[in-house]
Amino acid sequence: DTEVTQTPKHLVMGMTNKKSLKCEQHMGHRAMYWYKQKAKKPPELMFVYSYEKLSINESVPSRFSPECPNSSLLNLHLHALQPEDSALYLCASSPQTDGEGEEKQFFGPGTRLTVL
Amino acid sequence: GQNIDQPTEMTATEGAIVQINCTYQTSGFNGLFWYQQHAGEAPTFLSYNVLDGLEEKGRFSSFLSRSKGYSYLLLKELQMKDSASYLCAAYRGSTLGRLYFGRGTQLTVWP
Repeated sequence: DTEVTQTPKHLVMGMTNKKSLKCEQHMGHRAMYWYKQKAKKPPELMFVYSYEKLSINESVPSRFSPECPNSSLLNLHLHALQPEDSALYLCASSPQTDGEGEEKQFFGPGTRLTVL
Repeated sequence: GQNIDQPTEMTATEGAIVQINCTYQTSGFNGLFWYQQHAGEAPTFLSYNVLDGLEEKGRFSSFLSRSKGYSYLLLKELQMKDSASYLCAAYRGSTLGRLYFGRGTQLTVWP
């Protein structure tokens, strides 16, 4: 299994809703990432988990709350979002072990989020 | 800081060769990635250069010059399906590596 899966593919939510994005990988990778990507822009790093611990938070607003229940799963909990949070949310993983190729990040297909 | 620069748009015709350049200024640089991203889809890995020189993989090749802070992606025998955004990303590795993406180059291949 060499892929990262994300659910749902599309999500439409109101500003008062609470929803969660899910990401899963079974490649034994120990680092997992959340990115936000607006149209015609590069991915912007939001969070990084390493060995199930939050290692990087790029000053993301608290209405985005990440969670790493185990080494294969990564969630992003959403609450009280704004319309400008509408974007493609990408999950990625990388091996994060000693050895060649540990740096390569594998991306999931993304969740297209629309906030009304 | 991190300063990754690449052209915004490029066009070419089927069967042609195109070179997409990327310059970077990044502290603690370890390597340079190229990703391909079709509209509405996830980025897919194309290449990773750590050492200077050219690496060839089929129709795609990537070059790195660390002393010049310069890389390029070379696409040969272009096909319509190569129309996509090509993202250059500098990798900085320490205790936890991270990628710094350029804005992406939107390549359009015409018949």
